[in-house]
Amino acid sequence: DGGITQSPKYLFRKEGQNVTLSCEQNLNHDAMYWYRQDPGQGLRLIYYSQIVNDFQKGDIAEGYSVSREKKESFPLTVTSAQKNPTAFYLCASSGDRAFNQPQHFGDGTRLSIL
Amino acid sequence: GNSVTQMEGPVTLSEEAFLTINCTYTATGYPSLFWYVQYPGEGLQLLLKATKADDKGSNKGFEATYRKETTSFHLEKGSVQVSDSAVYFCALRKETSGSRLTFGEGTQLTVNP
Repeated sequence: DGGITQSPKYLFRKEGQNVTLSCEQNLNHDAMYWYRQDPGQGLRLIYYSQIVNDFQKGDIAEGYSVSREKKESFPLTVTSAQKNPTAFYLCASSGDRAFNQPQHFGDGTRLSIL
Repeated sequence: GNSVTQMEGPVTLSEEAFLTINCTYTATGYPSLFWYVQYPGEGLQLLLKATKADDKGSNKGFEATYRKETTSFHLEKGSVQVSDSAVYFCALRKETSGSRLTFGEGTQLTVNP
């Protein structure tokens, strides 16, 4: 079945360490997104990419970086500059730029600090 | 800018009760509107959508009508089940904002047997 795969499901980071969260989709979608979800809060957009080799900052990009070298992959790196990285991270994709198309989500990665 | 406001939770109901979760939005023009559901430990799943005024989205017994005059998209279900316990998110997407979604803060629903 087509879908979005995020890995790992749980991730632990030491102080001063960079970690990379994986997101892969086989839906042939052009656009991909990364969101951060904190307890009891909605989703906040970190970065998004509407086409390969291009991406834009979302509302909370500081301390994060991304790449989009392949259509199916959009990894997120949480750098040591992100001082409060503990959260649930969700990756999503959408099929085209039509504004009435929904986004499809992966099952998320929960990141914690050791 | 665009924004979505949902009723504050948590909401606790007994099985077979009627559900309403309020959602209002601020946006110019005619955004597309969505309801997503998140079960514990999972990502979001699209529940229903509406793309123009007076459209009614429906799925799994849930319904929501796009009301332009009140800028609302309230989610309703006539008889909830324990399995409906989840967090529900209202969201909008505008043609001028590319593919970005704007989410509400989510409403936690718990249904007791």
